[in-house]
Amino acid sequence: NAGVTQTPKFQVLKTGQSMTLQCAQDMNHEYMSWYRQDPGMGLRLIHYSVGAGITDQGEVPNGYNVSRSTTEDFPLRLLSAAPSQTSVYFCASSHSRDREQYFGPGTRLTVT
Amino acid sequence: EDKVVQSPLSLVVHEGDTVTLNCSYEVTNFRSLLWYKQEKKAPTFLFMLTSSGIEKKSGRLSSILDKKELFSILNITATQTGDSAVYLCAVFNFNKFYFGSGTKLNVKP
Repeated sequence: NAGVTQTPKFQVLKTGQSMTLQCAQDMNHEYMSWYRQDPGMGLRLIHYSVGAGITDQGEVPNGYNVSRSTTEDFPLRLLSAAPSQTSVYFCASSHSRDREQYFGPGTRLTVT
Repeated sequence: EDKVVQSPLSLVVHEGDTVTLNCSYEVTNFRSLLWYKQEKKAPTFLFMLTSSGIEKKSGRLSSILDKKELFSILNITATQTGDSAVYLCAVFNFNKFYFGSGTKLNVKP
């Protein structure tokens, strides 16, 4: 099992550019989520999904879109990158919504 | 507003010391509280607590939850340099996880 994988590991964007952060898991987990981690602020939930075809907003959803067309994949799209979106992004998954989450290795994004 | 607060923000101890990390929460529809350890990269799971007063234990680490006073503690006994990390507390409320900002533990030899 590869667990939770994320690509890319690092990315630099210019303000206004768009991109997609990829997340995949091979554990047949129903629940998947995206977080951003900024210094001194812990992990903040961006979007989450309780199963294929179902997504919902977390604490900080503005500027991000998600979709969940398959159980395995949960991509995060930045529509028009802003410097405030410079952060480390983690994808996580769990067997069901009330179980412990397994985290991917993270993507470090810099927006200039 | 739902929130999770951890204290202290950072802690420096020497090997062999015992430490206690705190997590208090105000989250509607509480379901569970989880502890994670974050070293260089992704957080890794330590404990999940759902019931008050029942201690979870793994080696030198233990944790307990008080649902009446809305807090949890994570104890680490006989600390080692490998325990140096950020310890994160998260609360789950039916659909969402709320994380605290973490406690950074530095264990000196």
